Amino acid sequence: KNEVEQSPQNLTAQEGEFITINCSYSVGISALHWLQQHPGGGIVSLFMLSSGKKKHGRLIATINIQEKHSSLHITASHPRDSAVYICAVKDGGSQGNLIFGKGTKLSVKP
Amino acid sequence: ETGVTQSPTHLIKTRGQQVTLRCSSQSGHNTVSWYQQALGQGPQFIFQYYREEENGRGNFPPRFSGLQFPNYSSELNVNALELDDSALYLCASRDWGSSSEQYFGPGTRLTVT
Repeated sequence: KNEVEQSPQNLTAQEGEFITINCSYSVGISALHWLQQHPGGGIVSLFMLSSGKKKHGRLIATINIQEKHSSLHITASHPRDSAVYICAVKDGGSQGNLIFGKGTKLSVKP
Repeated sequence: ETGVTQSPTHLIKTRGQQVTLRCSSQSGHNTVSWYQQALGQGPQFIFQYYREEENGRGNFPPRFSGLQFPNYSSELNVNALELDDSALYLCASRDWGSSSEQYFGPGTRLTVT
């Protein structure tokens, strides 16, 4: 079993829909990242959080440390949101390296 | 402030050859990590360098080696390339400290034939 599990693996939505991507992890962590990867390969950090909730524009990330679970929400989705969204955790026992989920491929149709 | 840059962007090598990939850290960052991302998978941690010394390594064989220079730029070297080494190689830089965020480069796509 992977240490970081994401669901769903693939997600297709219509423009304007509310989207939720889930991440569960099994290790002790010091922080959790949500990352966005476009087809070219480059990764952009969306959020780094260790508790509670963060919001940036149409994106919201939440984390429940007790349940070892995080969600990424996209409100009013747009075709430009189409990308792979990756959850990564910073192992609390390591030198701060990241353990990644396999990613959720999101496609938003106009 | 410049971001993380990597070179080259694409590379094709033959099995058995050696390759060197380069990464320039974001200004002020003293820690660099390298990751391998196979097609359809999440990135896997290769190793990390802090102040020119390796201080963390993932489950990769010794033919994966690295260097960090005094200006904190870094190299990833892979010897005796295998077909399974075909992947996107990402570097990420940060300032040392568990609370600091990592900033990723655009990656180098390596194809081994």
